[in-house]
Amino acid sequence: SYVLTQAPAVSVAPGQTARISCGGDDIATKNVHWYQQKPGQAPVLVVYDDRARPSGIPERFSGSNSGNTATLTITRVEAGDEADYFCQVWDTPSDQSVFGPGTTVNVL
Amino acid sequence: QVQLVQSGAEVKKPGASVKVSCKTSGYSFPDYYLHWVRQAPGQGLEWMGWINPNTRVTHFAQKFQNRVTLTRDTSIDTAYLEVSRLTSDDTAVYYCARVYNYDSATYLGYWGQGTLVTVSS
Repeated sequence: SYVLTQAPAVSVAPGQTARISCGGDDIATKNVHWYQQKPGQAPVLVVYDDRARPSGIPERFSGSNSGNTATLTITRVEAGDEADYFCQVWDTPSDQSVFGPGTTVNVL
Repeated sequence: QVQLVQSGAEVKKPGASVKVSCKTSGYSFPDYYLHWVRQAPGQGLEWMGWINPNTRVTHFAQKFQNRVTLTRDTSIDTAYLEVSRLTSDDTAVYYCARVYNYDSATYLGYWGQGTLVTVSS
């Protein structure tokens, strides 16, 4: 089945830019979705279909997808962005939804 | 507004079954796929399956195909997850989640608050 990889953690200073990667074989051919999860809370969809933002999600959150890597970018990082971030794709060959292992964003 | 409210925490013994409910409101229940996702303590998200509330058609992750049942009651806009033959590895928070858009079956825009299921002898 399809496997997604993510770095365990990323550290970023307030006001800087965080880039969270999601790796997968030829992932550019898939639609990638991103979720933010804070401790004790349910996940929140922050980007879908590679780069679209649900209503209410700040423009500071953006996505891209090329080759074997999809990226969630958070600009002007705030303390409230500290959370786990998970990527997700639908793997058509196996007809399964797949989540990445998650990346913890630490705001210094 | 769209809301998904799940049933309360459960403690079960190994070998037992558990049934979790997901009461929805604020939208047309038959029109949007509902997924179930679980998260073991300190771990990532694991997709379990989905149900089409209109047709009752279900689809599961391979590892859950023989142990998980998804049902719904359209008269009360509620979906159910039942997991049988529980083991300690099933200890997790179980989430129901609705797809974000009518024309998509895959990305999850609205989530329940989660239900903790603890399996312990």
